[in-house]
Amino acid sequence: EVQLVESGGGLVQPGGSLRLSCAASGFTFSSYWMSWVRQAPGKGLEWVANIKQDGSEKYYVDSVKGRFTISRDNAKNSLYLQMNSLRAEDTAVYYCARDGMAGPDDFDYWGQGTLVTVSS
Amino acid sequence: SYELTQPLSVSVALGQTARITCGGNNIGSKNVHWYQQKPGQAPVLVIYRDSNRPSGIPERFSGSNSGNTATLTISRAQAGDEADYYCQVWDSSTAVFGGGTKLTVL
Repeated sequence: EVQLVESGGGLVQPGGSLRLSCAASGFTFSSYWMSWVRQAPGKGLEWVANIKQDGSEKYYVDSVKGRFTISRDNAKNSLYLQMNSLRAEDTAVYYCARDGMAGPDDFDYWGQGTLVTVSS
Repeated sequence: SYELTQPLSVSVALGQTARITCGGNNIGSKNVHWYQQKPGQAPVLVIYRDSNRPSGIPERFSGSNSGNTATLTISRAQAGDEADYYCQVWDSSTAVFGGGTKLTVL
């Protein structure tokens, strides 16, 4: 059974940092692109970033470029999102999602999400 | 940047057919994916690459995509279909989601 379990969310002050993790199981993690998708309270879905199987390609939504870094450790079946210079508008539930094998495609599995709150 | 336009809300009578549209410039040339999200839950993929159903998704869910509009069709709507629905495409190496449509089953 495919499972994605996020962790690392919490309350952080504006300008602070947080590192999210996503533990994957039930599939060959190293064979898939992976993405982070977020959802602000009461709002819609927003894609944040994705990463290729070997980490050689990474893409970001414009609003987080230069502040967030996506990474992965295939030996640990884990995906990460390092978030720096956090702003109030980064407050959201952050989901880890499995992407495609041949390239970015649909998100066929999602974690339950971890809440990040940026507030003083 | 590429934009996807969805109606804020759609209502359907129990047992009838609901259609949720997703508009985008020449969206027919892209692969469109649809997600269902119920309150407090993670999204679930219900249609991928325009018209394909993942295993476990009822045949009542179908999709089409042509020109500037993609459509998610839910036949014989049930109370359990009440949810937010999002379309999604890839454009210039970034994923784009529509704003979401709240489906109400009357």
